[in-house]
Amino acid sequence: GENVEQHPSTLSVQEGDSAVIKCTYSDSASNYFPWYKQELGKGPQLIIDIRSNVGEKKDQRIAVTLNKTAKHFSLHITETQPEDSAVYFCAASIDTGGFKTIFGAGTRLFVKA
Amino acid sequence: GAVVSQHPSWVICKSGTSVKIECRSLDFQATTMFWYRQFPKQSLMLMATSNEGSKATYEQGVEKDKFLINHASLTLSTLTVTSAHPEDSSFYICSAEDRGNSPLHFGNGTRLTVT
Repeated sequence: GENVEQHPSTLSVQEGDSAVIKCTYSDSASNYFPWYKQELGKGPQLIIDIRSNVGEKKDQRIAVTLNKTAKHFSLHITETQPEDSAVYFCAASIDTGGFKTIFGAGTRLFVKA
Repeated sequence: GAVVSQHPSWVICKSGTSVKIECRSLDFQATTMFWYRQFPKQSLMLMATSNEGSKATYEQGVEKDKFLINHASLTLSTLTVTSAHPEDSSFYICSAEDRGNSPLHFGNGTRLTVT
């Protein structure tokens, strides 16, 4: 089945710097890749997503890139702010007779003021 | 839009009792709802997938008789933890989607503590 690996597990950056989180997936049939942000004690919230027919997508300070050949996708956050501190999960969606979303292990991002 | 409400946000119960957690989609009809369990500092572990009007599909290793799921309508799914034990203490999160291969909308989770 699909497997999603996410790195790093922890990332600490200075306010204003960029943060990059990388994920790989194993099943080339996956075609939808969302990213979720989870704050302490809350459920995850979608921050950006990308489909397999697109290589890059940007929304203000957040961008996602997808390399289908290498089965890599990455989240880029520019001009980080303390409120960006949270756990970020990448995911891959695959049709198994019903769509199933497989999550990465998560990255704990700390933005130091 | 796309709000999912999950209740209760936290619950403490005694060992041997049952606890029901509700998950409601407030402004959309959820074709499918998902239930997850999350341990501290870990990822979301999918427990089961539920579709309105049909039996839930459980992931391998999840006891269907212990974690009862009912998806009575397109806006409501419930998870009942039966005969809860301390090892069932965890953070349970539901999510819903209005169509396949689309963003998941998550509830804010329920922290269950079994004493």
